[in-house]
Amino acid sequence: SYVLTQPPSVSVAPGQTARITCGGNNIGSKSVHWYQQKPGQAPVLVVYDDSDRPSGIPERFSGSNSGNTATLTISRVEAGDEADYYCQVWDSSSELFGGGTKLTVL
Amino acid sequence: QVQLQESGPGLVKPSQTLSLTCTVSGGSISSGSYYWSWIRQPAGKGLEWIGRIYTSGSTNYNPSLKSRVTISVDTSKNQFSLKLSSVTAADTAVYYCARDHSSSSLGWYFDLWGRGTLVTVSS
Repeated sequence: SYVLTQPPSVSVAPGQTARITCGGNNIGSKSVHWYQQKPGQAPVLVVYDDSDRPSGIPERFSGSNSGNTATLTISRVEAGDEADYYCQVWDSSSELFGGGTKLTVL
Repeated sequence: QVQLQESGPGLVKPSQTLSLTCTVSGGSISSGSYYWSWIRQPAGKGLEWIGRIYTSGSTNYNPSLKSRVTISVDTSKNQFSLKLSSVTAADTAVYYCARDHSSSSLGWYFDLWGRGTLVTVSS
């Protein structure tokens, strides 16, 4: 079965750039979607179809996808970006989520 | 503005059936080409997709749960529901309902979520 691999944690200082990866076999051939989840809250879609942003999501959030790795990039990181981030793809008639990455803003 | 709200018992006994309902407000569940999904998250763990339904009644389930899951829709009430049978402690989780939007390629993404409801399986 298809597996999505995310680093458990990423740390970044305010104002810097955070990159959160999502690895999977030939993931570049799939559409990848990203969610932000803050403690006690439901997930929020921040990037869909690899690199598109829903309305209301800051331009600081961007995505890319090629080969075996998809990446969520958060520029000019703010304290409010501290959260868990999940990638998601469709494979073999099922939606799959990565294990999640905790972004810590130092 | 469309909103989703989960409801149902917060405590279910082992071997019984978990039943939850998601009420869609601020718009019709039948408008647009949306599917409607259930997703769960055990405490401190990641997200797991359970399954989805279209207003026609067409369903798609996670193969790992398929034998125990039934998702149904009641368009007259603007609701869709989840039944998960033969539950164990491993089914204890926050259960979310969500709206599915078609992706540019195969699959869907979840552009709108309910707040979630905690279901505990315990005797």
